[in-house]
Amino acid sequence: KAGVTQTPRYLIKTRGQQVTLSCSPISGHRSVSWYQQTPGQGLQFLFEYFSETQRNKGNFPGRFSGRQFSNSRSEMNVSTLELGDSALYLCASSDGTPRVDEQFFGPGTRLTVL
Amino acid sequence: AQSVTQPDIHITVSEGASLELRCNYSYGATPYLFWYVQSPGQGLQLLLKYFSGDTLVQGIKGFEAEFKRSQSSFNLRKPSVHWSDAAEYFCAVALYGGSQGNLIFGKGTKLSVKP
Repeated sequence: KAGVTQTPRYLIKTRGQQVTLSCSPISGHRSVSWYQQTPGQGLQFLFEYFSETQRNKGNFPGRFSGRQFSNSRSEMNVSTLELGDSALYLCASSDGTPRVDEQFFGPGTRLTVL
Repeated sequence: AQSVTQPDIHITVSEGASLELRCNYSYGATPYLFWYVQSPGQGLQLLLKYFSGDTLVQGIKGFEAEFKRSQSSFNLRKPSVHWSDAAEYFCAVALYGGSQGNLIFGKGTKLSVKP
């Protein structure tokens, strides 16, 4: 099975712009979670989508949003970018059944905001 | 609130020496615990997980971890470190229940290996 893929791998934006990141989960996985990784804050949970519905949300401002399509692919959008949004954004997929299970991570998208 | 603490930010060990990375968690119920490893520029790879049962769990690459409820700990160990083990290691706890896919991570421990 192919792993989790994320596109693009690297992105440079300027303050005030918006950005969309994409994540394709492992085939058959219905849950996609997004995490932000920064040197200062570490790994922080953004949100999780399961069967096209947001099932859980972390403590991030409304500028961060996401969605999931019927094929389980997910996108994450950040509007009005700030310098502090520079980070590695990781996507993870799992089967998503009620039992907690292993999440498989993609390589991440490195976002730099200038 | 649930939290995960990795007390050691950076550890350096000699190749061939044993390794123990510490992890403490704060969670009211029985946690679901994970150790992930991240090489530079890469995503996270699962080393091992604990859901229930035997408190000593074996993982990939020769790693093992022991769940100690009384100490709220889930320390990662390896008897003999290889140079390729140099990476950053993250302990994480998952919340069981209706909200899945929410891992709470520790701040990570960076492992350097001396030849």
